[in-house]
Amino acid sequence: GQQVMQIPQYQHVQEGEDFTTYCNSSTTLSNIQWYKQRPGGHPVFLIQLVKSGEVKKQKRLTFQFGEAKKNSSLHITATQTTDVGTYFCAPRSANDYKLSFGAGTTVTVRA
Amino acid sequence: SQTIHQWPATLVQPVGSPLSLECTVEGTSNPNLYWYRQAAGRGLQLLFYSVGIGQISSEVPQNLSASRPQDRQFILSSKKLLLSDSGFYLCAWRIVTTAEQYFGPGTRLTVT
Repeated sequence: GQQVMQIPQYQHVQEGEDFTTYCNSSTTLSNIQWYKQRPGGHPVFLIQLVKSGEVKKQKRLTFQFGEAKKNSSLHITATQTTDVGTYFCAPRSANDYKLSFGAGTTVTVRA
Repeated sequence: SQTIHQWPATLVQPVGSPLSLECTVEGTSNPNLYWYRQAAGRGLQLLFYSVGIGQISSEVPQNLSASRPQDRQFILSSKKLLLSDSGFYLCAWRIVTTAEQYFGPGTRLTVT
């Protein structure tokens, strides 16, 4: 599967602040998905990005796919305690059946 | 609406014992099915996936096996568990026409 690196591995954020997590690949990706896993829970699908330079927003979350389709980012504004969890990026494989999950960025929030 | 069930929720098994985890999906037909394992504080490792009854693709050679005896049933098995088999086992499904995967609640397995 396609390998991606997520940075940072851990993100400690003051409530109300913004932060960004990055997903980087050495190869061109056909598309990429993002998932969120709350502590003790299972991953939940957030978004899929397909087009070069694509930007999608979900309330305070902004997802971006790089122009070269080798990286993606998730930016959260005005972080809330509900944002706590681990965010995974997952590129789809060429055969379309599989996802390869990054190691994730684990977010904690200081109230 | 579609739902996915996994059981049991937690399991403690001794080394060398057998394992059988079951996953069933409701409300959809011919889904792609997946088994993942997540070690504590780590990412998701794809173990097996299936695109149809009796069709299993293995991603990681190990002492685990999977079977799909029915369209919406996916089973993960082992004849003899190892300590390294401990982890959070997640079943997921997707329909071919969409992109996202939907995960079940998972089974936390501890091998002692």
